[in-house]
Amino acid sequence: DAGITQSPRYKITETGRQVTLMCHQTWSHSYMFWYRQDLGHGLRLIYYSAAADITDKGEVPDGYVVSRSKTENFPLTLESATRSQTSVYFCASSVVAVAGDTQYFGPGTRLTVL
Amino acid sequence: AQSVTQLDSHVSVSEGTPVLLRCNYSSSYSPSLFWYVQHPNKGLQLLLKYTSAATLVKGINGFEAEFKKSETSFHLTKPSAHMSDAAEYFCVVRGNAGGTSYGKLTFGQGTILTVHP
Repeated sequence: DAGITQSPRYKITETGRQVTLMCHQTWSHSYMFWYRQDLGHGLRLIYYSAAADITDKGEVPDGYVVSRSKTENFPLTLESATRSQTSVYFCASSVVAVAGDTQYFGPGTRLTVL
Repeated sequence: AQSVTQLDSHVSVSEGTPVLLRCNYSSSYSPSLFWYVQHPNKGLQLLLKYTSAATLVKGINGFEAEFKKSETSFHLTKPSAHMSDAAEYFCVVRGNAGGTSYGKLTFGQGTILTVHP
């Protein structure tokens, strides 16, 4: 039971480069989410997806692009990485997005932009 | 709009003593509330959740939380701390049907729990 996985776990890149963070879940959950975690800010929602081919912006979407061609995958792309995007990125999934439904989190990707 | 305030950024306790992590929330509609724990270099794990059923919620590892609507609080407690409880804890609110924040989670800034031998 793999659950939700993220790759790579650690990534170092340079300013201006394109970077893609991968997220894969094996539960066939409808909803998937990308968060970034920064000191003093907790977790902030970047983008989320309600189903394949349906995505929407979260709290801090600027500089990021997402796609969801398959239910199980939800990649996050930084088209031109900036130092301010150095962070830990978490992917999450849930069956639905209502009431007390639980979001399950991946292990995170630590991204450093030099 | 919804928001979460964790009142302490750091809490330090001795092993075997009680733990209290405080959380206040703001939500226009009846919310669902969660506590997640994050151990160093790990992902987030759900401890417990409140979804408008019993106001006292029991979670894993001996943790529990009480939903108090009049105080807009959802404090996390444990009677006796263990060394393995040292981690960062996040209080999270999700708006329910009827609110503009429907379905989305809002995280508190986290409380780091340190447990001394």
